[in-house]
Amino acid sequence: SAVISQKPSRDICQRGTSLTIQCQVDSQVTMMFWYRQQPGQSLTLIATANQGSEATYESGFVIDKFPISRPNLTFSTLTVSNMSPEDSSIYLCSGTTGNTEAFFGQGTRLTVV
Amino acid sequence: GENVEQHPSTLSVQEGDSAVIKCTYSDSASNYFPWYKQELGKRPQLIIDIRSNVGEKKDQRIAVTLNKTAKHFSLHITETQPEDSAVYFCAASKGGNTPLVFGKGTRLSVIA
Repeated sequence: SAVISQKPSRDICQRGTSLTIQCQVDSQVTMMFWYRQQPGQSLTLIATANQGSEATYESGFVIDKFPISRPNLTFSTLTVSNMSPEDSSIYLCSGTTGNTEAFFGQGTRLTVV
Repeated sequence: GENVEQHPSTLSVQEGDSAVIKCTYSDSASNYFPWYKQELGKRPQLIIDIRSNVGEKKDQRIAVTLNKTAKHFSLHITETQPEDSAVYFCAASKGGNTPLVFGKGTRLSVIA
């Protein structure tokens, strides 16, 4: 399967600031997704990153807080805006070609202080 | 939307014993059911998956069974080893380009 490089791997940020997470895939993928994983918890879907159009957000997640870009079939970014300590979590991107398994980036461990 | 329930949340087995993790799903349109293993601090890694046109799939010590009528699927690990210790997640999707919905995870501990 394809390989996703995600960065940064971790960051400590001040509340009120924003952090942009990047995912680069080594081959074209049809769909990319962004998940949040609280420590010791499961993965919760934030949004589907659509190439060339606005992302599709899940209930409880909004574009103003989590703007997403996907300019081409190999790259996507997630921004966590106006951060608060409640945003401390692991953020994971995922990709799929539709007929293959979904694979994940290595995750970004975000701590907001 | 889809809801995936996973049991148990924790499981401890002796090395060499078998481990079974069970999941149920709610959306009858779901047709793809992968299992992921996540070690501490690592990304989830696919270990096995099954599509709704088959009832069972095996890969060495790992097997997955699917009961579409009852909407449940299970992971079976035989001859467990300490390196099997991790968190296992089941998931479901409608296949194609649709996202995965994950269960809450099972923390498996294999005691040597």
